[in-house]
Amino acid sequence: DAKTTQPTSMDCAEGRAANLPCNHSTISGNEYVYWYRQIHSQGPQYIIHGLKNNETNEMASLIITEDRKSSTLILPHATLRDTAVYYCIVRVEGYSTLTFGKGTMLLVSP
Amino acid sequence: KAGVTQTPRYLIKTRGQQVTLSCSPISGHRSVSWYQQTPGQGLQFLFEYFSETQRNKGNFPGRFSGRQFSNSRSEMNVSTLELGDSALYLCASSRTPGGLETQYFGPGTRLLVL
Repeated sequence: DAKTTQPTSMDCAEGRAANLPCNHSTISGNEYVYWYRQIHSQGPQYIIHGLKNNETNEMASLIITEDRKSSTLILPHATLRDTAVYYCIVRVEGYSTLTFGKGTMLLVSP
Repeated sequence: KAGVTQTPRYLIKTRGQQVTLSCSPISGHRSVSWYQQTPGQGLQFLFEYFSETQRNKGNFPGRFSGRQFSNSRSEMNVSTLELGDSALYLCASSRTPGGLETQYFGPGTRLLVL
């Protein structure tokens, strides 16, 4: 799987949009970008994934650049409960072998 | 419906011992994956089982093994424990293998090796 690079930590004010970047410059054509998050003491939770088109669901939006070398996860209205470590992963869909990086610690403050 | 359950939640062992961790997937889920999480290495894939067969394996030594039963419950075993095996061991289940977005994680078993 391609390696990803994320900032170690980010801050966001409650109610504002949180934009979490991820670089994956060595991504292959058949690799998807996945985002997961892990709230303290819980197992990781799936957020969203995409190949090359922007994606949106009830939790977040995923913006992938045209060259697919980077992406941004957008939480449109961050709440305190969104405080978590966010992981960006690239992998071939249907292939489960994967390695999470250290992710981005997002702290949402009142 | 009930989520993924893992037992025990906490465990303390000493070097050289072995340990067995258990995971019960969500009802109807036939795929179970195991991960190790440490502060230094992050979350790393151990192996995946589907229909009692190991489908994929991560880069871990042979001391780490697992199995899956006909009811989809899974166990992982670590023999000859080392201090570095102290970690949070997470289990995730899904209906089909390899479907990352459909994986549901359990709360984990925190293992401390002294």
